[in-house]
Order: sequence, then C-alpha cells, then structure tokens
Amino acid sequence: GAVVSQHPSRVICKSGTSVKIECRSLDFQATTMFWYRQFPKKSLMLMATSNEGSKATYEQGVEKDKFLINHASLTLSTLTVTSAHPEDSSFYICSARVSQGGNQPQHFGDGTRLSIL
Amino acid sequence: AQSVAQPEDQVNVAEGNPLTVKCTYSVSGNPYLFWYVQYPNRGLQFLLKYITGDNLVKGSYGFEAEFNKSQTSFHLKKPSALVSDSALYFCAVRDRDFGNEKLTFGTGTRLTIIP
Repeated sequence: GAVVSQHPSRVICKSGTSVKIECRSLDFQATTMFWYRQFPKKSLMLMATSNEGSKATYEQGVEKDKFLINHASLTLSTLTVTSAHPEDSSFYICSARVSQGGNQPQHFGDGTRLSIL
Repeated sequence: AQSVAQPEDQVNVAEGNPLTVKCTYSVSGNPYLFWYVQYPNRGLQFLLKYITGDNLVKGSYGFEAEFNKSQTSFHLKKPSALVSDSALYFCAVRDRDFGNEKLTFGTGTRLTIIP
C-alpha cells in the first residue's frame, strides 16, 4: 500500500519550455503533498507543501511564479516549471502523506530528472 | 527548529558483517523519526519510524533503529549486511509538539557493502 506515482520519470527539453510533473497517490488520499529538489550527492531540499484545495506554501527562496503547484484533488498534485532554464535542471521528487495521522511517514514518488538544454 | 545530522558521508561494510548508520537529531519538542533508503535515480523508500513506545524499532528488509533520547540519536542497524543493502540512506525528523508538517532530512550516508 501507500504507492505514489510520479510522471514523467525523465524530461529533456529546450530552454524556455514549461514542464509539468504529476504526482499521484494511487491507493490512498493525501491532503498534503510535498515537492522536493535534490542536487547531485545532496540531500532533499523542500520546495513547497501542496495542500488540496488551497494555495501551496513555498519555502524561502523558492519562486512561486517559477514553480507553479496545483493540488486539485486528494490524489493529484502537479508541479509546473515555467520557462525552464539550464539552472532548473535537477531531480524533482514528490511525496504524499496519508491524510489521517500526523505520525504517518511520507511516501515518495520515483522522481523526475529534468534536463534543460 | 529541527535538524538532523548524519556524520558519515560514506560507510563501507563487508558482506555478512553488522552495519550501523548514524543519525542525531535536534527538535524543540518530541520527535517523530524516520529512515529512508534511496537507490540510484529513484525516490525514497520508507524503512522504519519511531513515534513513541519501544525504543527499538524494526522495519523493512531486516533493518532496525534504536531511539536514544538522552543522546538524541536514532542509529540505523542491521545484524548482517547484504550487497543489495548498498544505497543512500536518509534520516529524517519531524517535531510532533509544534505542529510542523515538514520533514527535515539529513545529508545522507552512502552505504557500500563489499562482497
């Protein structure tokens, strides 16, 4: 149980393109989803917390107009990297937590490797 | 504020030997503690968690971790290492007394099991 599906797994595109990444909880409802960015050989950096039906909460230093987050249902959150540039190239990972219970672990998708040429 | 320290970037262990991956934490209240494992180009897989109760927590793939409040540690252990245990391991903490939704991760420890 507690499977999170992230799509696509890899994207290669030209500078200036907007890229949408989907995160779905397949067998549970997730009021809250999280979006992380991971640099090579580094830990996960929380970008934003995505709440179903409301605006996402962004971490300090993360541009909300650059990284658009939509959490339209209890099983789907999307991250759109707008007008992507090479410095946006990274490994993006989403996670979701079962709605009930603050002590529940986050369950992670398999990540999306974004490469901007 | 909450933070996690994983003091070792790399741990090498011979196959069949016991392994330990260290983690210490800091929270204002009481912690929820988690261990995750990451394989190359994959997301994180949940291994185990400490919420309350017994200090020794057992998890997936034969891993266990011991919560030590006085030392603010939550080291990951396994009695006999397998080559397939080679991966990147992250410890994470969440402060359960201050309503913080966020997990704070350590910098990760790369575990290599030598055949």
